[in-house]
Amino acid sequence: GAGVSQSPSNKVTEKGKDVELRCDPISGHTALYWYRQSLGQGLEFLIYFQGNSAPDKSGLPSDRFSAERTGGSVSTLTIQRTQQEDSAVYLCASSLRPGTGINQPQHFGDGTRLSIL
Amino acid sequence: GDSVTQMEGPVTLSEEACLTINCTYTATGYPSLFWYVQYPGEGLQLLLKATKADDKGSNKGFEATYRKETTSFHLEKGSVQVSDSAVYFCALTPYGGTDKLIFGTGTRLQVFP
Repeated sequence: GAGVSQSPSNKVTEKGKDVELRCDPISGHTALYWYRQSLGQGLEFLIYFQGNSAPDKSGLPSDRFSAERTGGSVSTLTIQRTQQEDSAVYLCASSLRPGTGINQPQHFGDGTRLSIL
Repeated sequence: GDSVTQMEGPVTLSEEACLTINCTYTATGYPSLFWYVQYPGEGLQLLLKATKADDKGSNKGFEATYRKETTSFHLEKGSVQVSDSAVYFCALTPYGGTDKLIFGTGTRLQVFP
């Protein structure tokens, strides 16, 4: 399909383990966003990538969270030493280049449901 | 900082009833405003948007008007259907920013036959 693809769709892991979540954006989309959807906090922005620019990491909740985007396409969100409060649905979105005076809609993947035991 | 406030749910309606979901925002300058919808078991989808004051976004019978004077972007539909049952999120992207979305808490709509 041509949509944003995320994997895995579900992940259950033990507290203290590291996890990696993957996002494949829509081909040709230069902007990529990670969000988190949790019961207590609603939908929160985590991090944003645009081309080769430095990412906007202002939404990452702690230094246990990191993300990278290789080759301007696939992105991986890594959570180290997971805690129970990290349990949430992690959503990835992509869009054409923003900030050009034309607001580009973000297209969301189905998310990864992360459960920390 | 910028924020979005939307009415608490759930909103429960009979089919063909009128719908209004209130949304107000706090932001500097001229943010862009959005409504996203999440149907059961599906991902977030853009429903409609408005990028400047007095713009009206519309889609699938839903409408919302960007009201700068009241900092509001209320979602309306004249006649809801069972298939409209979903969670609706009001959101904004800050003016001159990276287009990161700031969401409201979401409002669950349940429509019964």
